[in-house]
Amino acid sequence: QKEVEQNSGPLSVPEGAIASLNCTYSDRGSQSFFWYRQYSGKSPELIMSIYSNGDKEDGRFTAQLNKASQYVSLLIRDSQPSDSATYLCAVNIKSGMDAGGTSYGKLTFGQGTILTVHP
Amino acid sequence: ETGVTQTPRHLVMGMTNKKSLKCEQHLGHNAMYWYKQSAKKPLELMFVYNFKEQTENNSVPSRFSPECPNSSHLFLHLHTLQPEDSALYLCASSRRGYEQYFGPGTRLTVT
Repeated sequence: QKEVEQNSGPLSVPEGAIASLNCTYSDRGSQSFFWYRQYSGKSPELIMSIYSNGDKEDGRFTAQLNKASQYVSLLIRDSQPSDSATYLCAVNIKSGMDAGGTSYGKLTFGQGTILTVHP
Repeated sequence: ETGVTQTPRHLVMGMTNKKSLKCEQHLGHNAMYWYKQSAKKPLELMFVYNFKEQTENNSVPSRFSPECPNSSHLFLHLHTLQPEDSALYLCASSRRGYEQYFGPGTRLTVT
């Protein structure tokens, strides 16, 4: 089983529709969850982070987390052609701690879902 | 400069060359990361540095040699690479275990 798995794409939605992107993860101890957007030829850009169960809204984006089901999703309302990109789910599977007691994160990424919003 | 910067943005090198990638973060973060992104594959974590100390090495071949002189700068030294090492190399930084912010990446082609 992959540590982080995203729904297979590509996903195509019409402009103005809701795009739904899903992600499951294997480690029940995971605490931090992130969605990144990556345009072709560019680096990943953080768009949402979520740490507790429930919904988190930011503009047209809503992240949903259900730790019991080990499931995190991203909804994009009123989808625009400019939202066309690859969306990466990332989970902080393991956090490290150095000798001095300072923590750092280790993200595991899903394979990405390609979203196309057509006019 | 703000955020995370990387140079060069594009690099073509022969298999016998030696080159270095540079990353600098202006966010005051404590952790820095190198990732490799190949076509059709998920992002692969290569190295993690926390306050300039290497804390993770994900079984990366020795032809990749990282260096972190301080918590703001990170280098990836490359030597005798293989064509399969051609990829987008991404640097990221984070404050403790929170969000990671990526630089623009270096597109590496090994000929």
